[in-house]
Amino acid sequence: SQQGEEDPQALSIQEGENATMNCSYKTSINNLQWYRQNSGRGLVHLILIRSNEREKHSGRLRVTLDTSKKSSSLLITASRAADTASYFCATDADPGGFKTIFGAGTRLFVKA
Amino acid sequence: DTGVSQDPRHKITKRGQNVTFRCDPISEHNRLYWYRQTLGQGPEFLTYFQNEAQLEKSRLLSDRFSAERPKGSFSTLEIQRTEQGDSAMYLCASSLASPEAFFGQGTRLTVV
Repeated sequence: SQQGEEDPQALSIQEGENATMNCSYKTSINNLQWYRQNSGRGLVHLILIRSNEREKHSGRLRVTLDTSKKSSSLLITASRAADTASYFCATDADPGGFKTIFGAGTRLFVKA
Repeated sequence: DTGVSQDPRHKITKRGQNVTFRCDPISEHNRLYWYRQTLGQGPEFLTYFQNEAQLEKSRLLSDRFSAERPKGSFSTLEIQRTEQGDSAMYLCASSLASPEAFFGQGTRLTVV
């Protein structure tokens, strides 16, 4: 079963605009991760945020976590055509925090 | 830099045949994961290992599926008596001390 649900399912923006994707989950977590997947390829880890953190930055990425609402958001600023990909949130599903469950993803298309 | 390697990259098989996939994780990683991904969906957890011990197997995984990691290094995933519904991308990932997982490029299985 998939713990996280991303919203929107698909997003199309112009290059240079910001893209925001949201993730909601159902049970308590130790951490939440975001991954990117280019078409037909493996997933690439973007960022991990722990349950005691509220915000984290990495380059043009900003992730927020609201454990009271069981939700997270991924913001990509100044998007580029190369950001076109599927983005997945993933949550841990066991006490050790190592079994990871993925959502269905947001498909982002950045038009040049 | 040797990342996670999966072999083969593509496999076409006839319904009813057995198939075996191999995954070579990053060498020092003690955890290894198998996921299945169908078009438009996120990766679906199948099983994971810590060293050679299989810690969990998804209830979605029928008895036709078996995974091994005999010496705590590479892993194999076997599907017996394949069905058309088994057609998917099979992803392997590995990790060490963090939930951050490194994914291979996947094996795309087509059952005809």
